[in-house]
Amino acid sequence: AQSVTQLGSHVSVSEGALVLLRCNYSSSVPPYLFWYVQYPNQGLQLLLKYTSAATLVKGINGFEAEFKKSETSFHLTKPSAHMSDAAEYFCAVTPAGGTALIFGKGTTLSVSS
Amino acid sequence: NAGVTQTPKFRVLKTGQSMTLLCAQDMNHEYMYWYRQDPGMGLRLIHYSVGEGTTAKGEVPDGYNVSRLKKQNFLLGLESAAPSQTSVYFCASRPGTLYYNSPLHFGNGTRLTVT
Repeated sequence: AQSVTQLGSHVSVSEGALVLLRCNYSSSVPPYLFWYVQYPNQGLQLLLKYTSAATLVKGINGFEAEFKKSETSFHLTKPSAHMSDAAEYFCAVTPAGGTALIFGKGTTLSVSS
Repeated sequence: NAGVTQTPKFRVLKTGQSMTLLCAQDMNHEYMYWYRQDPGMGLRLIHYSVGEGTTAKGEVPDGYNVSRLKKQNFLLGLESAAPSQTSVYFCASRPGTLYYNSPLHFGNGTRLTVT
């Protein structure tokens, strides 16, 4: 069965530092991949998605992710963290031909001044 | 432009009581989903629907029932609530068959506590 692993349930960075949130998927066929963000007491918002058009995907709020088939990874990065980036981030996958989105367990990002 | 609307936003039930959570979307989406979110567990799929009149089980369907009588609505029912069903429930939707890479649109969630 398709699965998603997010390494690190909690990541802490200083304002201005690089953000790196890790996501690995299990699939022999490249799936469709997504990153979502959830701010406190809110629903999930789409940050970016991988559509196979390009391996480096740019999203909202300065985030980007790189699809690496050889590593089955889709890590999320941002060059310079901002206090407003503090939230929970979820990596998700839809298997090719699948109907449901499978989520990782999430990574909480804390940003300190 | 309402998107996905969930009602109610909060609910407290006693063990054994029943309730229905309503999800409505105004985007003419074919697919609709119910997830539950628990600390450290991410989002887990309860049930989903690929069209009016059709439903299917997800990862954690036990204790829940669903119905999709109208394309725009997806109802999640708890017949006999248990404390283990204390969670935040999210409804989501997206376009159908040809759009496997389309993102989900989420509601703002329903926070359910079962005492």
